[in-house]
Amino acid sequence: DQQVKQNSPSLSVQEGRISILNCDYTNSMFDYFLWYKKYPAEGPTFLISISSIKDKNEDGRFTVFLNKSAKHLSLHIVPSQPGDSAVYFCAAVGNSGNTPLVFGKGTRLSVIA
Amino acid sequence: DSGVTQTPKHLITATGQRVTLRCSPRSGDLSVYWYQQSLDQGLQFLIQYYNGEERAKGNILERFSAQQFPDLHSELNLSSLELGDSALYFCASSASGAPGQPQHFGDGTRLSIL
Repeated sequence: DQQVKQNSPSLSVQEGRISILNCDYTNSMFDYFLWYKKYPAEGPTFLISISSIKDKNEDGRFTVFLNKSAKHLSLHIVPSQPGDSAVYFCAAVGNSGNTPLVFGKGTRLSVIA
Repeated sequence: DSGVTQTPKHLITATGQRVTLRCSPRSGDLSVYWYQQSLDQGLQFLIQYYNGEERAKGNILERFSAQQFPDLHSELNLSSLELGDSALYFCASSASGAPGQPQHFGDGTRLSIL
């Protein structure tokens, strides 16, 4: 039973345009949502997070939007750059210290120059 | 560079064998996590330690065990290895293990079972 779903395995975007990566979750007890970026042969790198009390968090070119009623979040990258080409993982966690991060399967983003 | 060090980077062994994966967390981080990533799968949480004590357990097989030592490094032991154990194993660390606190990942150990 996948609690965190990234339904698009891959996405191609032209350089300079907006990239939108989507993530859905099923567990209403999730309180924090994080996005990680992963390059080949490297570990995931933390990108941006949002808590359930907010609906938007912005950091430079990266913005995460949270729609709690729809149990949906999205990561917007604008403008997209070739160096953004990577696999992006959505992850969620509850508020208890003993609950682990639950990851989606990832979306491979290709930014074409 | 995340500051999390995993060794070895690659490990090739045979079924039935036992291996140990090692992780040194970021300086100052007290919490260590282990994840398994199989082909086309997301990262599956295995186990978490905080300051030497087990804090949370995921779908970790009984053949697998882990510990965190007084110097805060951690080891993941995999025994009676099966072909299906072939995967990338990641270690991550965070300062306190509080929910929502970003975890910082090492570059993983790729385990291949022949």
